[in-house]
Amino acid sequence: NAGVMQNPRHLVRRRGQEARLRCSPMKGHSHVYWYRQLPEEGLKFMVYLQKENIIDESGMPKERFSAEFPKEGPSILRIQQVVRGDSAAYFCASSPPTWGGGFGEQYVGPGTRLTVT
Amino acid sequence: SQQGEEDPQALSIQEGENATMNCSYKTSINNLQWYRQNSGRGLVHLILIRSNEREKHSGRLRVTLDTSKKSSSLLITASRAADTASYFCATDFPGSNYKLTFGKGTLLTVNP
Repeated sequence: NAGVMQNPRHLVRRRGQEARLRCSPMKGHSHVYWYRQLPEEGLKFMVYLQKENIIDESGMPKERFSAEFPKEGPSILRIQQVVRGDSAAYFCASSPPTWGGGFGEQYVGPGTRLTVT
Repeated sequence: SQQGEEDPQALSIQEGENATMNCSYKTSINNLQWYRQNSGRGLVHLILIRSNEREKHSGRLRVTLDTSKKSSSLLITASRAADTASYFCATDFPGSNYKLTFGKGTLLTVNP
């Protein structure tokens, strides 16, 4: 059973470009969470999605950031018009359905390290 | 703030010694999870302990939870150089949709 997959692992963008980060949850997992980690910091929650629904986006910046988790395919975190302050590691986590055993456990992917030049 | 805080910020020990890290939080929780992160890498899930549990073991890891003190500890016994990493606790609380709040981590260095 493959773990949470994220790609790309490293992404370099110039200021003003768009960044697209992809996340494929573990098989059987229906909940996806995105977190951002700045240097020397812990992870900070951004958004929680289920298939075709944004459940909680309280941690997302109001502008330039969006996320989706379509019926088919990976979850996408999109950052438009990137700025230097967006440079960080972006982690995706998935967890199993809440009606099953192990609910609440979140398995974190390897992350995408975004560098804005 | 719900944020968990790990203590100490950094810990340096010799191989074979035990390492204890602590985590404190501020409000009632559903679950508390511990993760390990090697430098520049992803997070590895170590253990989840639920609010109605007091202790869990996994291999050389032992996690305790004291909800009256709002604190948890992670004990790594017989440490190895490969245990060198940052260790984070993460909590979720009722009504939070299980979204996690992470602390800033404890940097553990195990010297060979």
